[in-house]
Formats: sequence, structure tokens, C-alpha cells
Amino acid sequence: SQQGEEDPQALSIQEGENATMNCSYKTSINNLQWYRQNSGRGLVHLILIRSNEREKHSGRLRVTLDTSKKSSSLLITASRAADTASYFCATGDNAGNMLTFGGGTRLMVKP
Amino acid sequence: DTGVSQDPRHKITKRGQNVTFRCDPISEHNRLYWYRQTLGQGPEFLTYFQNEAQLEKSRLLSDRFSAERPKGSFSTLEIQRTEQGDSAMYLCASSRAGLTEGFYNEQFFGPGTRLTVL
Repeated sequence: SQQGEEDPQALSIQEGENATMNCSYKTSINNLQWYRQNSGRGLVHLILIRSNEREKHSGRLRVTLDTSKKSSSLLITASRAADTASYFCATGDNAGNMLTFGGGTRLMVKP
Repeated sequence: DTGVSQDPRHKITKRGQNVTFRCDPISEHNRLYWYRQTLGQGPEFLTYFQNEAQLEKSRLLSDRFSAERPKGSFSTLEIQRTEQGDSAMYLCASSRAGLTEGFYNEQFFGPGTRLTVL
């Protein structure tokens, strides 16, 4: 079963705009990871945020984590057409044995 | 750079046949995971190895599924008597064990094996 739920399920923006995706989860976590998946390609790891962290940056990506609300957000700034992909959040449990993925947000960036 | 590799990339089989997939993890990673992804959904965990020991299995992994990692390096996933519901992308991932207890690292995924059962 999927623990996380991404919101929105689909997002269409113009190149240069920012894209924000949200993820909610149900149980306690050790970490939360965001992945990107292009059509026909594998999952690419974007960023990992640990349960004791609140915000993390990597290039044009900004991730926040609110463990009290069991939610996270991924912000992509100055989007590019190449950012078109599905984005998944995945929570790592305290045993560190597996990731539980949400259903993903399908982002389309129009040139 | 050698990331996670999987073979084959695509497999078409008839219902009732057995199939086997192979995963080669990143060489220094001691953890290896198998996930299944159906169209429009996120991946779902199947099983996990630390070195050669299979430590966890999902309830999704019926008795028709078996996974091995005999020498703690590559892994195989076999599906016996395939059913149409087994059609999916099978993803392998690997990670390095954390240096300290409770410190887990990101998982790196391979390109997947797309299985179609006719």
C-alpha cells in the first residue's frame, strides 16, 4: 500500500515558473526522499531529508519537512522543460529497510 | 561510473512461464532492494537484502516469487508460473549501510525490467 500521497496529481506550468509539490504520509519516519522519473527511465534520486531536519536545498530544489503535520514539500525554482517528469516522495522507516512511495505528481513544464 | 544495472530491460512472456531478472548493484553497496511499479503508481517494496541475507519480504511477494543474492553482490528475482497481474516494471535499488545506527542513506535505482505477461 502507498503511504504517501502527493498533491497535486498533475501540474502544468510554463518554463521559468516555480513548481511546488506536496507529500503527506501517515506513520513515523526516519527520512523522506524525493525522486524523479522521466518517461521510460528509472528513478533518479533528488534529495533526502532526515526526520530531524526541517529544510534542505540542492541547486534549484528546496525541500521542507514538517513531522508534526506529517508532510513535505518540494519546490523547483525557475523550471525548465527538462524538469518534465513524475516526482515521487518516499518515506524511509526507522528500520531503514524499505521506502514507501506515494502515487507521484506528474509535472509538465511547457517551453 | 557504474550505477545499478538490470537485465533484461524488457521481457515478454506467456502466462504460466517462469522468468528471471538480474540486478547488479553499485559495487560498494551492501544493501539491495526489489520494488515493483505498475502504470501510474509509485513503486512498491518487494524484498530487501543486506549482503547475502534476505531480511524482509513484502506480502506482495507470493510463493511464486523468489529472490536470491548468493554472494552478496548481484541478485536475481524469479517469478514462477507468471500471471497477467505480474505485468509491471521491476526495479532494483542499492544503498550503502549507514555508518551509525539509525542513519540511512539514499537508494539508487536501476532502469528496471519491464515485464509483460500475455
